[in-house]
Amino acid sequence: DAKTTQPPSMDCAEGRAANLPCNHSTISGNEYVYWYRQIHSQGPQYIIHGLKNNETNEMASLIITEDRKSSTLILPHATLRDTAVYYCIVRETNTGNQFYFGTGTSLTVIP
Amino acid sequence: KAGVTQTPRYLIKTRGQQVTLSCSPISGHRSVSWYQQTPGQGLQFLFEYFSETQRNKGNFPGRFSGRQFSNSRSEMNVSTLELGDSALYLCASSFMTGGGVTEAFFGQGTRLTVV
Repeated sequence: DAKTTQPPSMDCAEGRAANLPCNHSTISGNEYVYWYRQIHSQGPQYIIHGLKNNETNEMASLIITEDRKSSTLILPHATLRDTAVYYCIVRETNTGNQFYFGTGTSLTVIP
Repeated sequence: KAGVTQTPRYLIKTRGQQVTLSCSPISGHRSVSWYQQTPGQGLQFLFEYFSETQRNKGNFPGRFSGRQFSNSRSEMNVSTLELGDSALYLCASSFMTGGGVTEAFFGQGTRLTVV
């Protein structure tokens, strides 16, 4: 079952930073926070994941609060191609290739 | 490196028929999972295979089954199709380490329409 809460939709102006929040208040110590996105009718795409330290890669940054009860995915300079549904997932890595997706946040990047 | 390949991309079947979908994982990945995505239920986990063995199964009826071959390719089968089986079926492959699975890589999916 999904253990995360995300806003159903958000808008962001093109070129600005998109900050997508996620609440995971029941996260346990060995659970990671993952972010995936799904562009319409395509397969989900891995973005980033982290345990407790902030993480950054070529796509995005992940900021996890110190108590780990919430996190924010940051797309530093949103483009129209970033319009997608973004899923925040909490899981242990030893649970196999099994991800539980919630309803996600539909991000619309506006020109 | 080639990504996850699912075939066919689109399929139309009649109620009562059966269907087989195929997934070729990324080279070196031995874990394959299947998901069903519908507008009403979202993305739901079907089952996972690793080294030709089913490791986990979601809450779906027995009409949904799968298998994995020695080359890690996987197939899923749905028998006695119902209208509600119309969905996007997604396959995800992962590299399994001693610590488990980090990220999963998804294919483009097979769009199944049951009429």
